[in-house]
Amino acid sequence: AQSVTQLDSQVPVFEEAPVELRCNYSSSVSVYLFWYVQYPNQGLQLLLKYLSGSTLVESINGFEAEFNKSQTSFHLRKPSVHISDTAEYFCAVSTVRGGSEKLVFGKGTKLTVNP
Amino acid sequence: NAGVTQTPKFQVLKTGQSMTLQCAQDMNHNSMYWYRQDPGMGLRLIYYSASEGTTDKGEVPNGYNVSRLNKREFSLRLESAAPSQTSVYFCASSTLVGYEQYFGPGTRLTVT
Repeated sequence: AQSVTQLDSQVPVFEEAPVELRCNYSSSVSVYLFWYVQYPNQGLQLLLKYLSGSTLVESINGFEAEFNKSQTSFHLRKPSVHISDTAEYFCAVSTVRGGSEKLVFGKGTKLTVNP
Repeated sequence: NAGVTQTPKFQVLKTGQSMTLQCAQDMNHNSMYWYRQDPGMGLRLIYYSASEGTTDKGEVPNGYNVSRLNKREFSLRLESAAPSQTSVYFCASSTLVGYEQYFGPGTRLTVT
């Protein structure tokens, strides 16, 4: 079965600084990868996803993630963060097996952007 | 489209009381899920329904029951609430199991 590790439970950064939130997964087969964002007192929203094709995927608000098969990683990056990016971020993985495998979520990384 | 809706938004129960959390989706999704979220524990899957007419246990099913009422609706029932069930509960849906999930706004439940 697949699993997901988010290496940092909390990441504090200053506004306009770059940030990287790390995600590693384990799976012996091809995977789908996702990043979700949860703002305070809200549900999770899909931020971006990798299904196939280009290994670099981008969101509409400036985040990007790169699928690295050899490193089994899907790290999330943003070159310059805003106060409004303060949220909890969850990485998730499922296996490409006819849609029979459930999404597995990491435990989340709380990003705090300070002025 | 409303997406995934959950009712109620907040609920306080006494130990031993029962209640049902309601979830509905209008995206014609086949699969639906119930999660609980606790500080430091991430999301834990309680039950899911891969398609209408089927339900399966997730990681933490004890103390809960579910009903897939139709393709749109998936309810979660606590028969005898316990303080350990104090949590935020999220419903989600997806086209198929393993595809991206869409989440509701959550129900904050407190059991005293």
